[in-house]
Amino acid sequence: QVQLVQSGAEVKKPGASVKVSCKASGFTFTDYYIHWVRQAPGQGLEWMGWINPNSGGTRDAQKFQGRVTMTRDTSISTAYMELSRLRSDDTAVYYCARSGTAGTSLDYWGQGTLVTVSS
Amino acid sequence: SYELTQPPSVSVSPGQTASITCSGDELGYKYPCWYQQRPGQSPVVVLYQDNRRPSGIPERFSGSSSGNTATLTISGTQAMDEADYYCQAWDGGTVVFGGGTKLTVL
Repeated sequence: QVQLVQSGAEVKKPGASVKVSCKASGFTFTDYYIHWVRQAPGQGLEWMGWINPNSGGTRDAQKFQGRVTMTRDTSISTAYMELSRLRSDDTAVYYCARSGTAGTSLDYWGQGTLVTVSS
Repeated sequence: SYELTQPPSVSVSPGQTASITCSGDELGYKYPCWYQQRPGQSPVVVLYQDNRRPSGIPERFSGSSSGNTATLTISGTQAMDEADYYCQAWDGGTVVFGGGTKLTVL
């Protein structure tokens, strides 16, 4: 069955970076986009970007340009999202999710990774 | 940047029909999707490509879209449908979510 399993919770200080992993199984990793979506406490879903695991190409939301880096390791079917220069308002649950090509839904989601930014 | 607008909250009595709207420029041409998120859980897609239900999603969930508005309709709403609902669309290669609607069943 399709699964996206994310790395565990992180606590970081302001100004630091965090790297979250998302290990895929149950499907061909290079056939689907992997998206990153975050949700601050009590807030809605916020899309951060996607990576095409086949090509390594990425597209990110304008808000995160320059701070987010999405990579993948096809040998272990794992995608990564690194967010730099963390601020307190980056405290959120970070999800990975897969989709087909543009226009399709995000049909499977990871369990979420809580990232807490606090001094 | 592209925006999707949803009402913050909708209330419905058990057994009645709930409708949640989502508005955005030419949304009807962007194959809107809908997600359900229960507290403490990851989102789950309940409708895609406007009105298609993934396997396992009850038939009481349906959708429509036209022009600038998409609507999620839940017929015969049950207590278990109480959750946050998000619309989503693609715009120019990026993904956009609506702000979410809290559905209360009371």
